[in-house]
Amino acid sequence: SQQGEEDPQALSIQEGENATMNCSYKTSINNLQWYRQNSGRGLVHLILIRSNEREKHSGRLRVTLDTSKKSSSLLITASRAADTASYFCATDAKDNYGQNFVFGPGTRLSVLP
Amino acid sequence: NAGVMQNPRHLVRRRGQEARLRCSPMKGHSHVYWYRQLPEEGLKFMVYLQKENIIDESGMPKERFSAEFPKEGPSILRIQQVVRGDSAAYFCASSPFRLRDEEKLFFGSGTQLSVL
Repeated sequence: SQQGEEDPQALSIQEGENATMNCSYKTSINNLQWYRQNSGRGLVHLILIRSNEREKHSGRLRVTLDTSKKSSSLLITASRAADTASYFCATDAKDNYGQNFVFGPGTRLSVLP
Repeated sequence: NAGVMQNPRHLVRRRGQEARLRCSPMKGHSHVYWYRQLPEEGLKFMVYLQKENIIDESGMPKERFSAEFPKEGPSILRIQQVVRGDSAAYFCASSPFRLRDEEKLFFGSGTQLSVL
């Protein structure tokens, strides 16, 4: 099974609302990253949170990490139509340092105008 | 500073043909990762290369698939005798160093391979 798994699989909200996506993982990690993918494009890095951090902010993004539950959440506040994309979490497994990231299946976010 | 460049953007092959996918990492990046993505799924790791070395190919099928990153030129992902199941988007990502804290991946726009 996958190291990172996001839920929900798909989320549809109105512009201006907040969007929350969750990610669960299985093994110990060094850090967890969130990426965004617009349809037909490559992934773009959004934010990284280290295993010793609990919360991080970047603009309208807020990421939390709970290593005891092996889970992370990504909150997008005051969503815009342009936020419509797929969002992936990626984990760098502690015993596999730097070899590769493991991506979850993603959450498809639709922000309706 | 150009980003990660992948070409071709779209590649159509008939069953049994060979597919060559090219990736030029960002300037100054010597680490390249190849991922494969099926529709509405996440990215599956295939192979991690440094210049002239394959570091981790645990995600790449043993048969028909190969990858290289020569001293000069782009990284190449080669699929021989393609089958319909190889149809997918193939993404390349690069980083300046071996990934560690604060490092992130820079992705290309991908090559969409369609096998007829």
